[in-house]
Amino acid sequence: GQQVMQIPQYQHVQEGEDFTTYCNSSTTLSNIQWYKQRPGGHPVFLIQLVKSGEVKKQKRLTFQFGEAKKNSSLHITATQTTDVGTYFCADNTGGFKTIFGAGTRLFVKA
Amino acid sequence: KAGVTQTPRYLIKTRGQQVTLSCSPISGHRSVSWYQQTPGQGLQFLFEYFSETQRNKGNFPGRFSGRQFSNSRSEMNVSTLELGDSALYLCASSLARGGGTGANVLTFGAGSRLTVL
Repeated sequence: GQQVMQIPQYQHVQEGEDFTTYCNSSTTLSNIQWYKQRPGGHPVFLIQLVKSGEVKKQKRLTFQFGEAKKNSSLHITATQTTDVGTYFCADNTGGFKTIFGAGTRLFVKA
Repeated sequence: KAGVTQTPRYLIKTRGQQVTLSCSPISGHRSVSWYQQTPGQGLQFLFEYFSETQRNKGNFPGRFSGRQFSNSRSEMNVSTLELGDSALYLCASSLARGGGTGANVLTFGAGSRLTVL
């Protein structure tokens, strides 16, 4: 069924280092969304990618959608302590439901 | 504009009891989705409602049910509570399905944290 695999599960970085999380699907996705959940908070929408090979940037965050629309990545350049949290990719290809990956929890050491 | 409002924020129940959680979506949002979040299972889809109709549901037992009212507000109910039902229950609203690239973006409420003893 509809499923997105996300890796890694956890990532510890030193402040200033880069961070990447990957999302993969066995089926072609119509679009991919990314959300961030701060510790103790709720998921907040970051971005949606729709086109094959699409790349979007938000300040230090770079989002990519694979050419085959089966994978996506989120890359953070020069992490800051404010980046801590869990990053989720999400797929709503299946109709009337959005399925979330397991998330990657980012820890940033100052 | 006001965000997604969930009540209650925290509640404690004992096994066998039932619980009802409420969600008021953003004004104008007609789709409401519910998720269960636990440390071990992540965000699990429960069900989605649009115009008072359940359009999709996840793999949860029949003890989990929901409904949506004409004003788009939604409730979910869990009957015969089990210890494993302890979780953060998140409600999310969106404009509508298939209504453009931004229409299916989810806006989450703060959640209702349920503890079952």
